[in-house]
Amino acid sequence: GAVVSQHPSWVICKSGTSVKIECRSLDFQATTMFWYRQFPKQSLMLMATSNEGSKATYEQGVEKDKFLINHASLTLSTLTVTSAHPEDSSFYICSARETSGRETQYFGPGTRLLVL
Amino acid sequence: AQSVSQHNHHVILSEAASLELGCNYSYGGTVNLFWYVQYPGQHLQLLLKYFSGDPLVKGIKGFEAEFIKSKFSFNLRKPSVQWSDTAEYFCAVNGGTGGFKTIFGAGTRLFVKA
Repeated sequence: GAVVSQHPSWVICKSGTSVKIECRSLDFQATTMFWYRQFPKQSLMLMATSNEGSKATYEQGVEKDKFLINHASLTLSTLTVTSAHPEDSSFYICSARETSGRETQYFGPGTRLLVL
Repeated sequence: AQSVSQHNHHVILSEAASLELGCNYSYGGTVNLFWYVQYPGQHLQLLLKYFSGDPLVKGIKGFEAEFIKSKFSFNLRKPSVQWSDTAEYFCAVNGGTGGFKTIFGAGTRLFVKA
């Protein structure tokens, strides 16, 4: 089946620094990738939809200047948490939708971010 | 606005008991429906999906779900659970007026007692 990877799986950083998280589709091309945030014991909250070669579409309440998304190729999307603060600590999950048009999304393993 | 609701936040069952997890959605148009499972410490995995056709969908590990359009429901079932089914289960919907954007329910934590 389709595989999506994320890097890093864990990151600890100091408050005020920026952190970049990569999401890659390993064996398929993904025109669209999605970024989610999952708080402890809660569901996934969609943050933004990332389309290759264009600007990301952010959900209401998500700061686009805080969470920078770049989808430069059909296999890579990045999420940069700028000037991270402790409240940004969370589990960030990406998913990718195949270019062929199937509606199934394949999820990455997630990145746990801890901001001190 | 599109929404997905899961009826139970926590379910505790003994092994061999039958399972039914409720999921209702609020979406306009033709939708695609999914159930995902997240085992402790692991990432989301697709259990089953419904796009069209037979409303009774069979997935992996003995799970099945039934799409009832008139009730806007997509309940997950398993006739006999195992200890290894302990996990969190998420219902998700996309399509219709929401396009490719997938909305997840709040999740149901299932704990199966051995």
